[in-house]
Amino acid sequence: SYVLTQPPSVSVAPGKTASISCGGNKIESKSVHWYQQKPGQAPVLVIFYTSDRPSGIPERFSGSKSGNMATLTISRVEAGDEADYYCQVWDSSSDHSVFGTGTKVTVL
Amino acid sequence: QVQLVESGGGVVQPGRSLRLSCAASGFSFSSYAMHWVRQAPGKGLEWVAVISNDGSNKYYADSVKGRFTISRENSKNTLYLQMNSLRAEDTAVYYCARDIAGRPRGASDIWGQGTMVTVSS
Repeated sequence: SYVLTQPPSVSVAPGKTASISCGGNKIESKSVHWYQQKPGQAPVLVIFYTSDRPSGIPERFSGSKSGNMATLTISRVEAGDEADYYCQVWDSSSDHSVFGTGTKVTVL
Repeated sequence: QVQLVESGGGVVQPGRSLRLSCAASGFSFSSYAMHWVRQAPGKGLEWVAVISNDGSNKYYADSVKGRFTISRENSKNTLYLQMNSLRAEDTAVYYCARDIAGRPRGASDIWGQGTMVTVSS
């Protein structure tokens, strides 16, 4: 089955930039989506189709992809960005949706 | 406003069944594929199943295939998850989520608040 690998944790100081990676086989051929989840809350879509932002999501959130890695970048990090972040793809070869292992972002 | 509300969770013994419901409002329910996603306590997100907007296509995670059935009633704006032969490892918060398209694309832009299912004797 398809696997998406993320670093367990990322720490960043306020005002700096956080980068969260998501690796998977042939991910370059897939659209990658990203979610933010705060404790006790449902996930929120922050990036879809690799680099598009839903309405209401700050421009500080951006997505990109290069080779076999996708990246979520949070610029000018704020305390309110502290959360778990998950990447996701739709694997058309198996008709399965797959979530990454998740990354906990801590704002120092 | 656009909203999804799950119900039907609770405590159930191993081997028994449970049916979850997800009531949609504020959007054209019949235009979107719908997913169930679960999260075990302290763990990450796990995709469970998806159904296309017209109900013609259904796909399941390997961990639930043959035990869970996803369905929908577009006339009632409601999504269902029938869970049979429940196991302890099915214990989780179950979320329903709206796909951004009529056919599954994975990205879910609207989520419910979740309903807790506990499988325990």
